[in-house]
Amino acid sequence: DSGVTQTPKHLITATGQRVTLRCSPRSGDLSVYWYQQSLDQGLQFLIQYYNGEERAKGNILERFSAQQFPDLHSELNLSSLELGDSALYFCASSSRPTGNSYEQYFGPGTRLTVT
Amino acid sequence: AQKITQTQPGMFVQEKEAVTLDCTYDTSDPSYGLFWYKQPSSGEMIFLIYQGSYDQQNATEGRYSLNFQKARKSANLVISASQLGDSAMYFCAMREGQGGNEKLTFGTGTRLTIIP
Repeated sequence: DSGVTQTPKHLITATGQRVTLRCSPRSGDLSVYWYQQSLDQGLQFLIQYYNGEERAKGNILERFSAQQFPDLHSELNLSSLELGDSALYFCASSSRPTGNSYEQYFGPGTRLTVT
Repeated sequence: AQKITQTQPGMFVQEKEAVTLDCTYDTSDPSYGLFWYKQPSSGEMIFLIYQGSYDQQNATEGRYSLNFQKARKSANLVISASQLGDSAMYFCAMREGQGGNEKLTFGTGTRLTIIP
């Protein structure tokens, strides 16, 4: 158990809908990262938050947005869903930049299926 | 150009043998780090080992060691005395950037199957 929790574990929804994925980082970690794993694109970095502020952005679509709340949990919002958004979405956390350890610990993932 | 290259899509290894999973990387950043993660069929990503670009010694964690050859830009994972539970996808990843902007770039993975 990495200490990172993600809900829900599975999500099935229709095209055009909007969903919210939730992540709680390990106790004490201030940085949260979102990754998408799909068959055609592999594992891709989406976005990073540190202590409530956006820190780095990757290949995140404009239809997707994220935020980190004062209690450090994070949400990834996916809207106008398309079939190609079906993927496993991971949240990871780390103690960076305040901690010296670079390790990122991953949650169990949310499997999104768009029909 | 690919930043992380894993050239072995799949490998079959006899139980109890050692196995080396290849990873080469490309970066111009002097400060970077290399990770290996294991993804079993259940889907979770399990952190195995980390090597920083300035670390003098190769990282080791139990049966896992990282063969870091900086000049060749390679960071191969070595698993000693393989077990059936080692069967999984293995991903090499690289951290670039400093000051807390540290995304990971992943390779395409190697599917390792341990044969009894």
